[in-house]
Amino acid sequence: EAQVTQNPRYLITVTGKKLTVTCSQNMNHEYMSWYRQDPGLGLRQIYYSMNVEVTDKGDVPEGYKVSRKEKRNFPLILESPSPNQTSLYFCASSTGIYTGELFFGEGSRLTVL
Amino acid sequence: AQSVTQPDIHITVSEGASLELRCNYSYGATPYLFWYVQSPGQGLQLLLKYFSGDTLVQGIKGFEAEFKRSQSSFNLRKPSVHWSDAAEYFCAVGVGDYKLSFGAGTTVTVRA
Repeated sequence: EAQVTQNPRYLITVTGKKLTVTCSQNMNHEYMSWYRQDPGLGLRQIYYSMNVEVTDKGDVPEGYKVSRKEKRNFPLILESPSPNQTSLYFCASSTGIYTGELFFGEGSRLTVL
Repeated sequence: AQSVTQPDIHITVSEGASLELRCNYSYGATPYLFWYVQSPGQGLQLLLKYFSGDTLVQGIKGFEAEFKRSQSSFNLRKPSVHWSDAAEYFCAVGVGDYKLSFGAGTTVTVRA
């Protein structure tokens, strides 16, 4: 089954404790992206990747890091989480952002205390 | 930078009635336009997209959208709403830099 898998789905952590949200897709997609969803703000793009070893900032990259060492994986790293990073995070992948649809994971709800 | 506005935060519609969700964008050229739907507790699913050509686009689940360049709009419509259409709907705009901007979303409630 074609899917984008995120882990963990739910996480409560404390300020400053490094964490990684993993994202894996099994569709051989070149394009992958991370979004955060906050009430009243819709989805905002954090980082995206056009291919292995090629990443770029989205609209809200501060406080986040990403890497793309393999085509299927695109982890999101919060080096020192803060309460303003409490949000619902979505990973998505596509054959190409304009030629194909974005396939979304089910989301990871992160709470930073 | 482009921006996307969905003027309606919440819409309530009766089952069987028609639905129209508004989307306006600001960008100089014709952008790539999308509508996505998010059911409760789920990720987003593509309903339809517009890149060029016919300005009336058909999508899944009986939805359609019309691109109006003069109004910078891409409104989503459905002639007859089903209870399963209760969800949050997002309009998205893409330009030539691999970024996709989403609107704030419109929540649709369907009453029996």
